Amino acid sequence: GAVVSQHPSRVICKSGTSVKIECRSLDFQATTMFWYRQFPKQSLMLMATSNEGSKATYEQGVEKDKFLINHASLTLSTLTVTSAHPEDSSFYICSARDGVGGYTFGSGTRLTVV
Amino acid sequence: TQLLEQSPQFLSIQEGENLTVYCNSSSVFSSLQWYRQEPGEGPVLLVTVVTGGEVKKLKRLTFQFGDARKDSSLHITAAQPGDTGLYLCAGAVFYGQNFVFGPGTRLSVLP
Repeated sequence: GAVVSQHPSRVICKSGTSVKIECRSLDFQATTMFWYRQFPKQSLMLMATSNEGSKATYEQGVEKDKFLINHASLTLSTLTVTSAHPEDSSFYICSARDGVGGYTFGSGTRLTVV
Repeated sequence: TQLLEQSPQFLSIQEGENLTVYCNSSSVFSSLQWYRQEPGEGPVLLVTVVTGGEVKKLKRLTFQFGDARKDSSLHITAAQPGDTGLYLCAGAVFYGQNFVFGPGTRLSVLP
């Protein structure tokens, strides 16, 4: 079946630094990928829709200059959290439509900003 | 306001009990999906339902799509600790549209 690989699974960074998270579709092409944020014991919050070859579409309230999304190929989208602060600590998950109607999710990235 | 509502928000039961969780909306969906997310992992698709009144079974899990395609239920028989997780429903109003996720039901099955 469709597989989405997300890397890294865990990252700890210092406040003020930037962190890049990668999301790869391993056996299918994904023209559209999605980035979510999830706080402890809460549901998924859609941050942005990543479109291959064009600008990402951000949800209301999500700072596009803080959460930079690049979707340069049909199998890779990246999310960069710039100038990270402790309040950016969260679980970030990507997903892609898998071509048979479902969403395949990555395994998530636990970001801790200290 | 949420397009999809899920209830209950939290549910804690003993191993062996049965349970039902619900997904409701005022909108009609062309298709609806259920996902389960285990702690520290991404959600995994369980089922897709597209026809009003449709019932699908996946081992001890029974999924039903309402006749009017506005709601769905997930029934688990003889719950096991391995069923613990966040259950999310997601719906698309129009075919090909991106799915919208509900807030989820967090299930805890105690041994």
